[in-house]
Amino acid sequence: LAKTTQPISMDSYEGQEVNITCSHNNIATNDYITWYQQFPSQGPRFIIQGYKTKVTNEVASLFIPADRKSSTLSLPRVSLSDTAVYYCLVGGGYQKVTFGTGTKLQVIP
Amino acid sequence: DTEVTQTPKHLVMGMTNKKSLKCEQHMGHRAMYWYKQKAKKPPELMFVYSYEKLSINESVPSRFSPECPNSSLLNLHLHALQPEDSALYLCASSLMSGTGNSNQPQHFGDGTRLSIL
Repeated sequence: LAKTTQPISMDSYEGQEVNITCSHNNIATNDYITWYQQFPSQGPRFIIQGYKTKVTNEVASLFIPADRKSSTLSLPRVSLSDTAVYYCLVGGGYQKVTFGTGTKLQVIP
Repeated sequence: DTEVTQTPKHLVMGMTNKKSLKCEQHMGHRAMYWYKQKAKKPPELMFVYSYEKLSINESVPSRFSPECPNSSLLNLHLHALQPEDSALYLCASSLMSGTGNSNQPQHFGDGTRLSIL
């Protein structure tokens, strides 16, 4: 399984765009990149998933360069409610997923 | 509210007790998972069920015994646990790709907070 590396923590002011980068140097050809958000005492919630280039949904964008060795989760105009831990996962197939250390995002008023 | 329901939300048990954690989903997902999460750590995979059969056991001690009685239910039977087993236990489910070449996002419940006295 590809190992992921993320910053341990990040701070951002409300209303700013936040970019969280994940490194996954040994990503395999059939691996997808998935991001989850987790609030305290809750289970992780799926945010976005992609394979290459750019993916956008109603809450985030995911940028993946051509070599796919990294990815960047972009959260537009964060609010206090976006304070959470964000996990980047890399894997293929449905069976086994390994969570990395995650990035604790603190949004400041 | 999540589409994966876990009960109970909290459980306190002694080291000699036997208890069970329950997980239910009605999304038609045929893959179900148990994770253990310690405070300020990422979730760690314990077991994976595919079509109601155990497909992955991540070398979990036998005091944890999973069971999948049907496609909607997943249980985790607990017996003779240790204090270090205190954690948040998360259940998840996902679709299964026919090709195996695509990730199916997992849907998580909010977990059972387990405390071992």
